[in-house]
Amino acid sequence: GIQVEQSPPDLILQEGANSTLRCNFSDSVNNLQWFHQNPWGQLINLFYIPSGTKQNGRLSATTVATERYSLLYISSSQTTDSGVYFCAVEQAAGNKLTFGGGTRVLVKP
Amino acid sequence: GAVVSQHPSWVICKSGTSVKIECRSLDFQATTMFWYRQFPKQSLMLMATSNEGSKATYEQGVEKDKFLINHASLTLSTLTVTSAHPEDSSFYICSAFPTRSYEQYFGPGTRLTVT
Repeated sequence: GIQVEQSPPDLILQEGANSTLRCNFSDSVNNLQWFHQNPWGQLINLFYIPSGTKQNGRLSATTVATERYSLLYISSSQTTDSGVYFCAVEQAAGNKLTFGGGTRVLVKP
Repeated sequence: GAVVSQHPSWVICKSGTSVKIECRSLDFQATTMFWYRQFPKQSLMLMATSNEGSKATYEQGVEKDKFLINHASLTLSTLTVTSAHPEDSSFYICSAFPTRSYEQYFGPGTRLTVT
């Protein structure tokens, strides 16, 4: 099956810093989503981004499907950005998502 | 829109008993829902795909007789953990996607502890 790798596994940031999270996948995909899992376990949808670039406030994401990677940018980080960020890919429409291992982010005040 | 709920949020049960977890799509219909399991500090692992009106499809290594899935309506899927053991203790999360949407939306999860 498809392999999804995220880097770095852990990230410690000072409040206000910028960061880039990476997601590599081993095969072509129909769908790619980024999620933030908050401390209570809820997955929050950040981006649906099978290709191209999107921005939402301080977050933005870029997927280069031909090179099989996606990047999530966090700018001016805040303590509320702490948590685990997952990318997940879908290989066929309506099919299951395969998750990467996640990046655990801690933003210190 | 696209809200998924789960009930209960957490449950503690004794070894050997069964526990039912509900997953509901509150503002959309879902012919397909998914059940995941997450162990502490690990990623989500898909357990099964729940299809309305038909049998669930289980991932390799998941015991279908232990994790019973019923998708009785377009807004409700249930996961029953039968004869639970301490190793079944985990965080169980469901997801669904609305018709004509390519995004999956996740429930808040159910934390199961088996004593």
